[in-house]
Amino acid sequence: TQLLEQSPQFLSIQEGENLTVYCNSSSVFSSLQWYRQEPGEGPVLLVTVVTGGEVKKLKRLTFQFGDARKDSSLHITAAQPGDTGLYLCAGALWDTGFQKLVFGTGTRLLVSP
Amino acid sequence: NAGVMQNPRHLVRRRGQEARLRCSPMKGHSHVYWYRQLPEEGLKFMVYLQKENIIDESGMPKERFSAEFPKEGPSILRIQQVVRGDSAAYFCASSRTGARVDEQFFGPGTRLTVL
Repeated sequence: TQLLEQSPQFLSIQEGENLTVYCNSSSVFSSLQWYRQEPGEGPVLLVTVVTGGEVKKLKRLTFQFGDARKDSSLHITAAQPGDTGLYLCAGALWDTGFQKLVFGTGTRLLVSP
Repeated sequence: NAGVMQNPRHLVRRRGQEARLRCSPMKGHSHVYWYRQLPEEGLKFMVYLQKENIIDESGMPKERFSAEFPKEGPSILRIQQVVRGDSAAYFCASSRTGARVDEQFFGPGTRLTVL
């Protein structure tokens, strides 16, 4: 059962444009994490948001956790070719007594010069 | 400070053979998680282990798959009698504790191809 829906699946934009990636679920998560994955490598953690409504900024990237802790968004301002990659959101479930990560299907971003 | 190590990075097996994937967690980490990523899909949780114990294997197929994390040495994910559908990238992650907000750090993955 896929608990996390990411949209869009693919995004091709020009350098300098802004974009937003969405991560939605009907489940409540104890925290939500955003990862970036390069081809042939494992996911690298970008940020963890824990509190409903929380906003975190990482340079040109802004992450927001929904008030109900069911959804999140990633906004990139003035995208650069170096931002190209696969972005994954992952919700952390705690109901089993440990942190089980449920991953979205990912958003593949291509930023052209 | 070395990160999570996985080997081999690429593994090719014929149908019916066994595949052994190894994962060495980060130094000081005693919690290991295995995930599988099928082509064009997100990562799916398979199993969570602490030293010498399987804590949760709810994501592991019931047959042919097993995992261990011995007192000494790396964690091993073992797939017996592989089939083409087992072709995927297998990622290991480790954390220092199993706490609610403890970060999981991922290895580079093992890409398994079954011919």
